[in-house]
Amino acid sequence: QSALTQPASVSGSPGQSITISCTGTSSDVGGYNYVSWYQQHPGKAPKLMIYDVSNRPSGVSNRFSGSKSGNTASLTISGLQAEDEADYYCSSYTSSSTPYWVFGGGTKLTVL
Amino acid sequence: QVQLVESGGGLVKPGGSLRLSCAASGFTFSDYYMSWIRQAPGKGLEWVSYISSSGSTIYYADSVKGRFTISRDNAKNSLYLQMNSLRAEDTAVYYCARVRYGDYGPYFDYWGQGTLVTVSS
Repeated sequence: QSALTQPASVSGSPGQSITISCTGTSSDVGGYNYVSWYQQHPGKAPKLMIYDVSNRPSGVSNRFSGSKSGNTASLTISGLQAEDEADYYCSSYTSSSTPYWVFGGGTKLTVL
Repeated sequence: QVQLVESGGGLVKPGGSLRLSCAASGFTFSDYYMSWIRQAPGKGLEWVSYISSSGSTIYYADSVKGRFTISRDNAKNSLYLQMNSLRAEDTAVYYCARVRYGDYGPYFDYWGQGTLVTVSS
């Protein structure tokens, strides 16, 4: 049950676009369309931003989008805003012999 | 609106026990699968356990298997986590989260605010 790999930090200026990568294996990210992304502001609970690789829940801005290629999933935030500054975590469910969820280590997004 | 409120955290000595609770409201609790997820101070998220809507299917992370027990009481709209043989590495904020199934797979669509568990002598 190894963690997914995310960059520790990314940054961008207001209005720009950034992409956060999330690398797993063929047993999790690459094997299923079960990737989800969560935003967490300091001291707050995580908030669902993307599920099933690229679907946005109701109420989440269309500036947030998700994709996947092979064993790597990506979260793209366009038109960066100050309130996007937060930690972002990817997650993948795997329905192997013992189903479980694995998370990435988290990426700190700084809006310059 | 969906609300999940955790309670029961606190300071406990290594080897001790603690029972966490999560009170759910704003949705039909008995229709949903639920999970516990934790976050050590300054660290990332770690999935802990999952329980089906009826309680018949349960999964645990390897790190807590044999020590933690998840359960639910649908009549009380409550989720529980019994934690035994606690270790320093169990120190974390524990979140309860609702599990939702999309077209492909499960994800966590609502989270509580968390309850802090500190294991220290």
